[in-house]
Amino acid sequence: EAQVTQNPRYLITVTGKKLTVTCSQNMNHEYMSWYRQDPGLGLRQIYYSMNVEVTDKGDVPEGYKVSRKEKRNFPLILESPSPNQTSLYFCAVSWGDSYNEQFFGPGTRLTVL
Amino acid sequence: QQQVKQSPQSLIVQKGGISIINCAYENTAFDYFPWYQQFPGKGPALLIAIRPDVSEKKEGRFTISFNKSAKQFSLHIMDSQPGDSATYFCAASPGTYKYIFGTGTRLKVLA
Repeated sequence: EAQVTQNPRYLITVTGKKLTVTCSQNMNHEYMSWYRQDPGLGLRQIYYSMNVEVTDKGDVPEGYKVSRKEKRNFPLILESPSPNQTSLYFCAVSWGDSYNEQFFGPGTRLTVL
Repeated sequence: QQQVKQSPQSLIVQKGGISIINCAYENTAFDYFPWYQQFPGKGPALLIAIRPDVSEKKEGRFTISFNKSAKQFSLHIMDSQPGDSATYFCAASPGTYKYIFGTGTRLKVLA
């Protein structure tokens, strides 16, 4: 079964404590992306990756880092989280060119106190 | 210029009625316009998508209407059902793996 897995699903942390949200896919797809969803703002793209070692910024990359060392994994790193990064985060996966469907993960709800 | 403006923010429709959600964009480089459906506690899922070489695309009860000159596109849900109650997002992409999403429309279909 095709799957996009995110861990953890829920996280409460404190300002400044480094954290990583993992995203893993079993579809062998090249493209992976991170979004944050906030009420009234919709989904906003943070970073995306077209393949291993190839990443680029989305619309709201400030305060986030990513890496793509393996095709199946695309972790999102918050080195010094702040309360304005409290949000619902989604990983998405796709293949081929950017006119194909994005498959979204189940989401990670992050609260930064 | 990168924004996609979506309206209405929320919509209540009677069962069997037509739900219409509208989106407008400014960037003429956008050439892919998908709609995503999201149920509570789930990630968004692709519903239907259109490229600007056609003015309309229909899949079952769901239709996208696209007006290139007006830079607008809309989602029509015919014969709306309670199971269609969800949040709908329009999006646009210039085909470079960058996506701009609208702010979402919460649809409630009354039984």
